[in-house]
Amino acid sequence: DARVTQTPRHKVTEMGQEVTMRCQPILGHNTVFWYRQTMMQGLELLAYFRNRAPLDDSGMPKDRFSAEMPDATLATLKIQPSEPRDSAVYFCASGAPTTSISLNTEAFFGQGTRLTVV
Amino acid sequence: RKEVEQDPGPFNVPEGATVAFNCTYSNSASQSFFWYRQDCRKEPKLLMSVYSSGNEDGRFTAQLNRASQYISLLIRDSKLSDSATYLCVVTRVGSSNTGKLIFGQGTTLQVKP
Repeated sequence: DARVTQTPRHKVTEMGQEVTMRCQPILGHNTVFWYRQTMMQGLELLAYFRNRAPLDDSGMPKDRFSAEMPDATLATLKIQPSEPRDSAVYFCASGAPTTSISLNTEAFFGQGTRLTVV
Repeated sequence: RKEVEQDPGPFNVPEGATVAFNCTYSNSASQSFFWYRQDCRKEPKLLMSVYSSGNEDGRFTAQLNRASQYISLLIRDSKLSDSATYLCVVTRVGSSNTGKLIFGQGTTLQVKP
């Protein structure tokens, strides 16, 4: 049963510490998304990649957040230094275009990393 | 103003009721449309795609009005298990925005016995 795997599932850290979240997309999917979900803002797109190249990271605070895909099986999201306002659930999702015409991407989500910064 | 807007609810309905959710999107370049479902403390999952001609999947009917930039989801004969948050999603096609999924804030449904 193919699924997106995210680690860790839960993370509690102190303000100022570095946080690294990892995501293994579904094998063969060429699109990877990072979302942040809070009660106030809902699901916000932070960054997304196609074929490992970053297409859009305009939703990400550049001074402290970075997203990379070192290879096709791993995507990372780092926060350095972390702040209490970064507390949220971070979801990774992967997808593949269903047709070459519509580029209609269904996204499959991982279970998320619940981050608490104290 | 958010690019995809939904009434957050909650919608509280009795079992067996019919309930409809609406969603509006602001970017006319939006190309593909979906409804996702998210259970409490779980990840979002695709419920159904939305096609221009409207489409039905069992008790669920999705409609799209491109002229008004409006999407709807109708649930007939509500079940307790339909209780969840329903997320409206749009994507854009074209240049670097290809396949970018934009989520609404979600509409919460509570079905009561």
